[in-house]
Amino acid sequence: SQTIHQWPATLVQPVGSPLSLECTVEGTSNPNLYWYRQAAGRGLQLLFYSVGIGQISSEVPQNLSASRPQDRQFILSSKKLLLSDSGFYLCAWSVRGHGYTFGSGTRLTVV
Amino acid sequence: GENVEQHPSTLSVQEGDSAVIKCTYSDSASNYFPWYKQELGKGPQLIIDIRSNVGEKKDQRIAVTLNKTAKHFSLHITETQPEDSAVYFCAASDGGGSYIPTFGRGTSLIVHP
Repeated sequence: SQTIHQWPATLVQPVGSPLSLECTVEGTSNPNLYWYRQAAGRGLQLLFYSVGIGQISSEVPQNLSASRPQDRQFILSSKKLLLSDSGFYLCAWSVRGHGYTFGSGTRLTVV
Repeated sequence: GENVEQHPSTLSVQEGDSAVIKCTYSDSASNYFPWYKQELGKGPQLIIDIRSNVGEKKDQRIAVTLNKTAKHFSLHITETQPEDSAVYFCAASDGGGSYIPTFGRGTSLIVHP
């Protein structure tokens, strides 16, 4: 069966520090991978998506970046965090024509 | 691009009542409409979906209806239970290669015991 792993679950980081969030998928090949952010309130904001290794599309210009070094690995990074980067980060995967499977999320607090 | 409107933003019901959440979409090319349930502190979970060649789909206490002409779709939950309390999101997409759905803003459903 397909599973998605996302870690860490919670993270408190000082302003200006780097960030690395990792997401891995098991049980499927060549999935589409996504990073979403959910700020206070409820909306889901798409940050990045990838349809293959090394292929990254950015939806929102900001100080975050994403990489896909392996087929089932998706990494969200930042060189210097801002207070506004605080939020709930969600990784997701899908195959064409089907819904998302979301990870359990990372609660990031930038202090 | 696609625009999805979701109503209401908050819905409060008594246990055992029915709950209905409605979404409208703008792009007639959209053909796949999933619904997600997000419990507090967790990632959203796909609970039911419907494709444009179907008018209604049921799974136990939940059902989704689709009106392509009017471009709206709805989630129906019958015999609500406290564990149904969560935020529900609708979404619409054309099922394309990159599959980027447009999400509604979410409905917070509160079921009072």
